[in-house]
Amino acid sequence: QKEVEQDPGPLSVPEGAIVSLNCTYSNSAFQYFMWYRQYSRKGPELLMYTYSSGNKEDGRFTAQVDKSSKYISLFIRDSQPSDSATYLCAMTHSGYALNFGKGTSLLVTP
Amino acid sequence: GAVVSQHPSWVICKSGTSVKIECRSLDFQATTMFWYRQFPKQSLMLMATSNEGSKATYEQGVEKDKFLINHASLTLSTLTVTSAHPEDSSFYICSARASGTSYNEQFFGPGTRLTVL
Repeated sequence: QKEVEQDPGPLSVPEGAIVSLNCTYSNSAFQYFMWYRQYSRKGPELLMYTYSSGNKEDGRFTAQVDKSSKYISLFIRDSQPSDSATYLCAMTHSGYALNFGKGTSLLVTP
Repeated sequence: GAVVSQHPSWVICKSGTSVKIECRSLDFQATTMFWYRQFPKQSLMLMATSNEGSKATYEQGVEKDKFLINHASLTLSTLTVTSAHPEDSSFYICSARASGTSYNEQFFGPGTRLTVL
């Protein structure tokens, strides 16, 4: 079993919809949780960072971490065509390399 | 701030030749840099972790003699793919962790697409 599981999609939504992206993980030692956005043929760009459990909001993006369920989510409100990309969850425990999910491909149609 | 560059962005080489990829942190010092490989529609797979001034730590299954990593300064790490073969064709991405950070944020480069003919 991979340490981080993420549905690769693709996920297609109409412009303006609320998008929900999720990852599950098995390693209870993970404390740092990140969401990256990756456009085709580009490096990942950090969107959200969360330490331990809880919610974090930044503009149209909300990240949630539920450590008891080993489940993290990224919500995108009022989705735009420019949000079309692959979204990667990543997590780690202190001082270790990131463990990435496979990435979910999102397409927001006008 | 926190910009990481990679050079070249795209390289084509013949089978059997060696290719060097540079990763630079432009506006911060990076004690630790990571090298990843990404195949189409796949996630990033960590190849190795390099700390400035010491030998890189390779992940299981990554040939250290084939993928030579040098982290000679706080702003530069290089990955050399030696005797490249078509199966080495991939997207190589580096990331850097800033010195003195209290958490584990990594800043990624734009990636290098390697095609071996």
